[in-house]
Amino acid sequence: DAGITQSPRHKVTETGTPVTLRCHQTENHRYMYWYRQDPGHGLRLIHYSYGVKDTDKGEVSDGYSVSRSKTEDFLLTLESATSSQTSVYFCAISDSGNQPQHFGDGTRLSIL
Amino acid sequence: GENVGLHLPTLSVQEGDNSIINCAYSNSASDYFIWYKQESGKGPQFIIDIRSNMDKRQGQRVTVLLNKTVKHLSLQIAATQPGDSAVYFCAENYSGGSNYKLTFGKGTLLTVNP
Repeated sequence: DAGITQSPRHKVTETGTPVTLRCHQTENHRYMYWYRQDPGHGLRLIHYSYGVKDTDKGEVSDGYSVSRSKTEDFLLTLESATSSQTSVYFCAISDSGNQPQHFGDGTRLSIL
Repeated sequence: GENVGLHLPTLSVQEGDNSIINCAYSNSASDYFIWYKQESGKGPQFIIDIRSNMDKRQGQRVTVLLNKTVKHLSLQIAATQPGDSAVYFCAENYSGGSNYKLTFGKGTLLTVNP
């Protein structure tokens, strides 16, 4: 498996609380991505990064922010969690834009 | 995720048979395609990829076929095994645009009966 670690693996929290998910890679890949996966929607891109401190929005970025202060870590933050953000979140990495993305094992987030 | 198989097209095969999973992609300009396998509770796992200058590529027990005329991609799995049971989905990329973004299909649930 590609060296990708997501933490936490499971989290239950309440509406209105801030939540931060972490993705850590040991592959020194330039690109990192955050997706959410929901039944009937497939994988949808939230935010991505193409280098340290270089990030951009994906198709479902509202309510989420990201930070990448070093190559190996990409953080996803829900500033004020809502029930609609209950989902499984996946981090992915790739060496270049036109290469396969490799995924972590996900974080299951439940917002009550 | 555990519920990723809900609401998906399904394919049920007998162990040892060949499986064919299909994918219609959306962008005629897409030039890079990937197949992923996702088992329950795990992240998507890369299987095989193909670029648009090819129409066929083979891996270990898997073959991907690309038909650009009808924007169709297929994954063939030879001698399907119970361990192949999973959700399979395709992804497409257009390198002339934002070449770091993939667009994913919703997937097909493959069930292998022993």
